[in-house]
Amino acid sequence: EAGVAQSPRYKIIEKRQSVAFWCNPISGHATLYWYQQILGQGPKLLIQFQNNGVVDDSQLPKDRFSAERLKGVDSTLKIQPAKLEDSAVYLCASSPRGLYGYTFGSGTRLTVV
Amino acid sequence: AQSVTQPDIHITVSEGASLELRCNYSYGATPYLFWYVQSPGQGLQLLLKYFSGDTLVQGIKGFEAEFKRSQSSFNLRKPSVHWSDAAEYFCAVGANSGNTPLVFGKGTRLSVIA
Repeated sequence: EAGVAQSPRYKIIEKRQSVAFWCNPISGHATLYWYQQILGQGPKLLIQFQNNGVVDDSQLPKDRFSAERLKGVDSTLKIQPAKLEDSAVYLCASSPRGLYGYTFGSGTRLTVV
Repeated sequence: AQSVTQPDIHITVSEGASLELRCNYSYGATPYLFWYVQSPGQGLQLLLKYFSGDTLVQGIKGFEAEFKRSQSSFNLRKPSVHWSDAAEYFCAVGANSGNTPLVFGKGTRLSVIA
C-alpha cells in the first residue's frame, strides 16, 4: 500500500512570503492530521480533518495559517505571510479510524529566512 | 487532556550496552501508547504501540516497551544498542476512544559511542 505522500520535501522562503504544502493520505483514510515539528521538539497538532470537515483546529494560528481538504482526500496547508518562527517540519498523517493505522508522511522542511 | 513527559533530553550509551528511555503520560483513562523513532531529516517511524492486553510490547529493531499503569509509564528498552540506533525517540499518547489525535513528548536524543 502506498504511504502518505507529501510535497515539496524542502522549501526555503523569505519572511512575509507565502507557501503551501500538499498531502495525499493513504487511500481510504478518513482522518487527516497536520503537525508542526519545530527543531528539538515533538510534533504538535495544527489541524485535524475527518473526511472534508474540520474536527480540531484549536492550535492553528488562523491569522496566517489555513488548511483545506477538498473532496475528503488530499489536503493543502498554507502559510501567509510566513514568519521566522514558522521554520519547522510540517508532517501530515492519516488514519482510517482513530489511532488504528496512524501513518505519517516524510514531512516538508520549511526554512524561513 | 493527554500529555507526555520524556524526562531525558539527551542520552549517550556505548554500543552494545543496554538502553532504557523513559516516558510518563497523563491521561484519565486507559491510554493508547506509542514509541516513534526519527533519524535526522527523516519522517517518524513507528517502533511499537500498546493498545491493550500484554503490558510488555515487542517492536521492530529489537525494541520493547512495558506499560505500567501504576506508574503512568511506558519506558522503551533495548538490550544491546547498535550505532544505527542513534536518533531522536518520541513517546506519544492517544485516547482509546473517539477520534482524538496523538500527543507527543518533546523527545529524547540518543547518541551511541564506540
